This record gives sequence, C-alpha cells and structure tokens, in this order.
Amino acid sequence: DAEITQSPRHKITETGRQVTLACHQTWNHNNMFWYRQDLGHGLRLIHYSYGVQDTNKGEVSDGYSVSRSNTEDLPLTLESAASSQTSVYFCASSEGQGETDTQYFGPGTRLTVL
Amino acid sequence: GQNIDQPTEMTATEGAIVQINCTYQTSGFNGLFWYQQHAGEAPTFLSYNVLDGLEEKGRFSSFLSRSKGYSYLLLKELQMKDSASYLCAVMDSNYQLIWGAGTKLIIKP
Repeated sequence: DAEITQSPRHKITETGRQVTLACHQTWNHNNMFWYRQDLGHGLRLIHYSYGVQDTNKGEVSDGYSVSRSNTEDLPLTLESAASSQTSVYFCASSEGQGETDTQYFGPGTRLTVL
Repeated sequence: GQNIDQPTEMTATEGAIVQINCTYQTSGFNGLFWYQQHAGEAPTFLSYNVLDGLEEKGRFSSFLSRSKGYSYLLLKELQMKDSASYLCAVMDSNYQLIWGAGTKLIIKP
C-alpha cells in the first residue's frame, strides 16, 4: 500500500545544531508539504514543492530549508536549531487540485530543541 | 488577513449529535476540508466541500455556505472513538490550505 513516512519520530537536539527531518512518500504525488503544529495554532506551512527541483517558502520558512531531488522525498533541514523550533512537524503530500488536492499526512516528528 | 475560526473545545454525549462550526475569511476560495486528528496522531481526511450544500458520508456530514463564509461538520450517533480534534481548512486562491486551530471534541459516556 502507498504511504507517507517520516523519520525520526522523536528527536532531541541542542541549540545551534543542524537537524534534518526525512519525509518519504510512495503515492507518487507531485505535491509535498512541511507543516509545524503548535498548541493554539493551526497547522502552519513551512515549505512546499510542486515537483522535482521545485521548492517554495510558506508562512513560517525562516530558519528552514528543503530540497526536492526526486518525487518521493522532501527532507526538511533546520540550519541552526533554536528553542522556538520545538514543535511537532508533519509532512504531507497531494496529487493535484480540487478534491484530488486532499493532503495525506505522515505520522509526524516531535522535535525538542534544548 | 486570512482567518479561520472554530470553537476551541466542545463536549457531547455518546450517542448524541454534535455540530462543529467553522467560519472563514480568505483571499479566494477553492474548497473547504475537514480533517480529524486523534491526540498524538496525524490529521486524516474527512470531507471536502466546494459547492454550497450538504455532503453526507455515513455518520459524518459537512455543510458549506460560500456566501456566508461558513461550514459545519455534523457528527451523528457519537462514539467514544470520535473524541479527537477536528480541523477546518480552506484552500485559498493560491491553492494554499489555510488551517483553523482545531476544535477538541470530548465525548462523555
């Protein structure tokens, strides 16, 4: 069955370290997204991609970067982790537009920055 | 600015009916989504509305009024497993999803 996976599921790191969160989907979807979810906030878009070599900044992109070298993967990198980046991170993918733009989510990565 | 409003928390009784409202103000509209999210888990898709009216899927129904910027999710015959957060999201003119903060639904026996 097609799926979307994230790794690691839990990560503790120190301020200033570089961290990369992996996202892998086997849906063969063109669109991939990274969100963060914090208490009291809706999901907030960090970066997104509409295809290989395409990346775009979302609402809260400062301090994060992504690259899309193939259809399946969109790794998220925190260049220099800050305590404000402690959050739950979700990766999602979608096929197209309209109802086919339904986004399917990975299980999430809980990141703690000390 | 763009805004999605939903109640923070609601409580209902097992077997009853509950309606979760969502109002939105966005730059453009290309559909409204409802997702369910159990604690510690990923959001999962429930419904999609792009035209006015009611969409029914088993125990769950979703309604949309584009002129009023309003939607609701109706859950019937509530079960304990329906205890979760329900997220409303609107796709704007740039095909970006704008998310509400979610409504935590507590089901009591």
